[in-house]
Formats: sequence, structure tokens, C-alpha cells
Amino acid sequence: NAGVTQTPKFRVLKTGQSMTLLCAQDMNHEYMYWYRQDPGMGLRLIHYSVGEGTTAKGEVPDGYNVSRLKKQNFLLGLESAAPSQTSVYFCASFPGRASGGPQLDTQYFGPGTRLTVL
Amino acid sequence: AQSVTQLGSHVSVSEGALVLLRCNYSSSVPPYLFWYVQYPNQGLQLLLKYTSAATLVKGINGFEAEFKKSETSFHLTKPSAHMSDAAEYFCAVSGDWTGANNLFFGTGTRLTVIP
Repeated sequence: NAGVTQTPKFRVLKTGQSMTLLCAQDMNHEYMYWYRQDPGMGLRLIHYSVGEGTTAKGEVPDGYNVSRLKKQNFLLGLESAAPSQTSVYFCASFPGRASGGPQLDTQYFGPGTRLTVL
Repeated sequence: AQSVTQLGSHVSVSEGALVLLRCNYSSSVPPYLFWYVQYPNQGLQLLLKYTSAATLVKGINGFEAEFKKSETSFHLTKPSAHMSDAAEYFCAVSGDWTGANNLFFGTGTRLTVIP
């Protein structure tokens, strides 16, 4: 199992450009998440999904869109990048209701994507 | 609603000394609590978690944490620091996992180990 993978690892954008970050998991997990990490602020939830075809807003959703067309993939889109979106982005997955909960399992994190918007 | 507060953004200890990283939580439901470690340029790795089975939780690399409901705390400790413990540590809380199991993270504590 590769676990949770993220593509790309690094990216530099100019203000106004668009891009899509891909998260893939091979563990058949139901729930997937996108976080951003900024210095001194920990990880903040951008969007999440509790199943294929579903998405929901997290704590800081503005400026981002997501899609979960396939269970194993969770895409994060920036339609018009801004310097404030310079951050490290982490994807995570969790088994879901069938897992029995945090007693038996946990969120699994990808290695991160470092994005710089100039 | 859930939240955590980590006291001290930077902690320095000497090699061999006690490590104590503080975390206080707020939760409107019985919480699940987690400690994650992040080494430079890497993702998050779970150290340990509290899920109501036992108040003293042992994790990997010799770390442990004690859940104290009366103090709403979940501090992370290690009796003897090692150079390899230098990293950033995050406390996190979740509540009703059946909905979405969203994690709410603290702002992190960077641990420096002095030789």
C-alpha cells in the first residue's frame, strides 16, 4: 500500500493562475480531508468529504474548490491563486463509519504539497 | 465545538531531560485526543491517542500522555529526551467521529533538544 499520496510535491504559481492538487489513497477510505499548514497556526481544515460524490466546507474554504468523483481521489482546486494561499497543503484520509471509530483507526496523512504564490 | 490550546510555541530541553509539552482542550462532547509529530519537510505521524479506554496513553518512541478531565488537559511527556525527538508536535481533538471525524489542531510546539 502506498497509503496517501499527493501530487505535486512543490509548485510555484503566479497570482491569478489556477491549479489542482491531487490526493490519492489506496486504503478504500470513505473520508478524505484537505488541510493547510501555516507557521504558528497549525493545520486548518479547508474542505472534506465523507464519501464519493460528497464534499463539505471546513474552517477556511474561501478561494478553494474540491471534487471527489472517485472514492480514492480528492482534488483541491485553486481557480485564481493569491499570495495568501502560499502554504503547505496536507491531505488525509480516514476509514469512515465501518472502521469502528478512532478507537481502532486514525487519520492518515500524505507527505504534503508546498505551494508558493508570487 | 472542539478546540485545543498548546502552551509554548517553542520548548528547549537538554538531552536526557524530561520532555513536557502542554495541551488543553475544549469540547462540548466526550473528546478524542491525539498527539502528532512532524519532522522537517515531512507529513504528520501519529504519536498516540486517547479514545476513553485508559487515561494514561502510551505511544511510540517512549512518549506518553495523560488525559485529565478535571483539568481539560492532555499533556505529552517523555522521561528522557533524545536528539531524534527534535520536531514539531501538534495536539488535536475530535468529537463525533461518525459524522466526519474532523480534527482540530493546536498551533504546534517546536521541540529543540540541546546536546
